[in-house]
Amino acid sequence: QVQLQESGPGLVKPSETLSLTCTVSGGSISSYYWSWVRQPPGKGLEWIGYMYYSGTPSYNPSLKSRVTISVDTSKIQFSLTLSSVTAADTAVYYCAGLTASPYYYFDLWGRGTLVTVSS
Amino acid sequence: SSELTQDPAVSVALGQTVRITCQGDTLRTYYATWYQQKPGQAPVLVIYGNINRPSGIPDRFSGSSSGNTASLTITGAQAEDEADYYCNSRDSTGNHLVFGGGTKLTVL
Repeated sequence: QVQLQESGPGLVKPSETLSLTCTVSGGSISSYYWSWVRQPPGKGLEWIGYMYYSGTPSYNPSLKSRVTISVDTSKIQFSLTLSSVTAADTAVYYCAGLTASPYYYFDLWGRGTLVTVSS
Repeated sequence: SSELTQDPAVSVALGQTVRITCQGDTLRTYYATWYQQKPGQAPVLVIYGNINRPSGIPDRFSGSSSGNTASLTITGAQAEDEADYYCNSRDSTGNHLVFGGGTKLTVL
């Protein structure tokens, strides 16, 4: 049973960089496209991006200039960094595993972690 | 703005059938996926590839697609089906993913 667990600061100051890590347990780093999805309080889901462990990442065009997703195969972890954050980046951030052939779907989710952007 | 459009809210009487729809031009080309999300919980996959139901999802959940509209149907809605439902697919470039705005389902 593959499980995901997000970790990182719950509070980030405006203009600083948000950094989160997702630890994969019980599975292989090559099993999924590793992804991040966020959800502002009371609002809908927003796809941030995904990356296969050996491939090129794909990012939401609206966030592309500020986001980086990376995969650490040795630690079986993947990470999200989002620079120059504002209050609009306050959200629950989920890490997720995306199956991408032939259908695209997230069938593995972390529990989510709330990140608040505030001074 | 989302390329996938959902009704913000839908209600259904207990035991009745409800259909939740998702509209978008990219659905003519790409498959739709549906997620159920209950308050304070991560989303759960309920339908993928327009019509496929993962193991463990009750068979009262079914999916369909026609033209630019994908649908999630719950036949015999139960109280535990009250949740937010999101559709998801690829965008017009095919390289990115997009979620619909979500539909809040109330079971009366």
